Amino acid sequence: AQSVTQLGSHVSVSEGALVLLRCNYSSSVPPYLFWYVQYPNQGLQLLLKYTTGATLVKGINGFEAEFKKSETSFHLTKPSAHMSDAAEYFCAVSLGNTGGFKTIFGAGTRLFVKA
Amino acid sequence: GAVVSQHPSWVICKSGTSVKIECRSLDFQATTMFWYRQFPKQSLMLMATSNEGSKATYEQGVEKDKFLINHASLTLSTLTVTSAHPEDSSFYICSARVAEGLATHYNEQFFGPGTRLTVL
Repeated sequence: AQSVTQLGSHVSVSEGALVLLRCNYSSSVPPYLFWYVQYPNQGLQLLLKYTTGATLVKGINGFEAEFKKSETSFHLTKPSAHMSDAAEYFCAVSLGNTGGFKTIFGAGTRLFVKA
Repeated sequence: GAVVSQHPSWVICKSGTSVKIECRSLDFQATTMFWYRQFPKQSLMLMATSNEGSKATYEQGVEKDKFLINHASLTLSTLTVTSAHPEDSSFYICSARVAEGLATHYNEQFFGPGTRLTVL
């Protein structure tokens, strides 16, 4: 069964510091992995996705993530945090065709950015 | 492209009334739409999968008679919360999957902005 684990419900960084949000997944089929950001009282915005091909995926707002099959990880990074990055971040895995294209979400990580 | 809208963005209703939430794909056809519920500071919980022209598939523990879903066209799905009670208060989010053939968005869902339901 597919599942997603996000390590750390809260992460706090200083402005300008490296952002690292951890995500591990389990999947019985080749995974399609996603990172979403959610601002208060808003829907989800796609940051980036991995389907096939290059394992280092670049997304919007300077974020990137690396798919590591051996570690079943898909950690999200950004070299330098901005105040505007403060939000809730969700890692997700798609179940694909065999799973009705459902998406399984992690519990979320709230990112705090200190001035 | 790939914009999903929800209406209303927020609604307050009295206990016992029914509330309808619309989810529309504005610039693409969505064969499948999903409805999620999100409690404060929690993740999204999938409620049901809605396929155009057929009955919705509900997740375990979700009352289908309580949460009526209709997907009458390739661009519109509706969620009706019947006889709403305070415990139904939540943030409801829909998403839409692009119809077959668009390989660049295969497996990707596009999310609406959400609807905040408050039942008094």
